Amino acid sequence: GAVVSQHPSRVICKSGTSVKIECRSLDFQATTMFWYRQFPKKSLMLMATSNEGSKATYEQGVEKDKFLINHASLTLSTLTVTSAHPEDSSFYICSARGLGEGSNEQFFGPGTRLTVL
Amino acid sequence: TQLLEQSPQFLSIQEGENLTVYCNSSSVFSSLQWYRQEPGEGPVLLVTVVTGGEVKKLKRLTFQFGDARKDSSLHITAAQPGDTGLYLCAGENQGGKLIFGQGTELSVKP
Repeated sequence: GAVVSQHPSRVICKSGTSVKIECRSLDFQATTMFWYRQFPKKSLMLMATSNEGSKATYEQGVEKDKFLINHASLTLSTLTVTSAHPEDSSFYICSARGLGEGSNEQFFGPGTRLTVL
Repeated sequence: TQLLEQSPQFLSIQEGENLTVYCNSSSVFSSLQWYRQEPGEGPVLLVTVVTGGEVKKLKRLTFQFGDARKDSSLHITAAQPGDTGLYLCAGENQGGKLIFGQGTELSVKP
């Protein structure tokens, strides 16, 4: 199956700093990437949909100036948590959807654990 | 707002028992996926069901999609400790987005 990687796998930062998380599709081109947030033992909440070459679409309640998304190429999307605070601590997961017919399946990355002190 | 109600949220059983997890919605989905997630990892796709009434089997796991494509179930026969994990259902809406259920935390004790 298709492989999606995330970097870093875990990050600890001080309150007020910004953190960038990368999501890469390793063996396929992804026209669309999704960013999710997950709290411990809870479900995934969609934060935003990222399309290559265009602005991301954010879900209701998600601050676009807080969570900056860039989808600069067909294999890379980045999520930057700006001026992070302890309440931003969470597990962030990306998924990627490929090109072509029958490619509605989303392939998930392994997640990034963010801890803001 | 589309919602997917998943139940039960927690399930602790003995090895060898059977169990069923349910996902219900008032909305129709294009397809429905079931995932399993280990702690600290991303969800891994188990199955996708597309057609109303569809039944798919994956070894001891049986997945069913409701006739109206609004609900689904996951049945595990003779559960094993290796089945322990978080099980998530997700419905794909018309916009291609996945709507996740709350998840079922399954613990199978030897």
